[in-house]
Amino acid sequence: AQSVTQLDSHVSVSEGTPVLLRCNYSSSYSPSLFWYVQHPNKGLQLLLKYTSAATLVKGINGFEAEFKKSETSFHLTKPSAHMSDAAEYFCSYTDSWGKLQFGAGTQVVVTP
Amino acid sequence: GAGVSQSPRYKVAKRGQDVALRCDPISGHVSLFWYQQALGQGPEFLTYFQNEAQLDKSGLPSDRFFAERPEGSVSTLKIQRTQQEDSAVYLCASSLSLIVESGANTEAFFGQGTRLTVV
Repeated sequence: AQSVTQLDSHVSVSEGTPVLLRCNYSSSYSPSLFWYVQHPNKGLQLLLKYTSAATLVKGINGFEAEFKKSETSFHLTKPSAHMSDAAEYFCSYTDSWGKLQFGAGTQVVVTP
Repeated sequence: GAGVSQSPRYKVAKRGQDVALRCDPISGHVSLFWYQQALGQGPEFLTYFQNEAQLDKSGLPSDRFFAERPEGSVSTLKIQRTQQEDSAVYLCASSLSLIVESGANTEAFFGQGTRLTVV
């Protein structure tokens, strides 16, 4: 069965330091993969998506993710965390209908 | 409107009460999805519409859950005889395209959700 696994439920970083959110996928083919961010009481916002055009994907707000087929990973990174990055982040994949399957989420805390 | 709009934002229901949650997708969006997000969890797929046709309802947890999109725009998710385990945030999303692999813009836009609390 296809699925995504987010390896960390919580990540705490200091402002200005790098952020790494880990996501592994399980699929028999190259999936379409996404990272979404959810701020408190807000809807899910798309950060970036991988659809096989390029393995390194750049998204909004300075985030990027690299698709590594050999490692079945799609980790999200940002070189320098900002206080406004504090939120919950979801890795997800989609089937041909566009139905999204989400990971359990990673809560990011940014300390001054 | 500019985005996906859901109403009400918050709903408190007594156990056994019926509720109806509304979703106004972005105008012209063909696809509409409902998700359920329990506290501390990722969203879980409930059902999918392509225009007015409900093509996938495999995620609906029981026959107490019913969704419709009669004119291919606004959708309503109805929960009958609510139970405490139905307490969650219900998210609606819409997207423009029919098929992901087409390469067209298939980004799903989410509403802010309806937080349902069953007491």
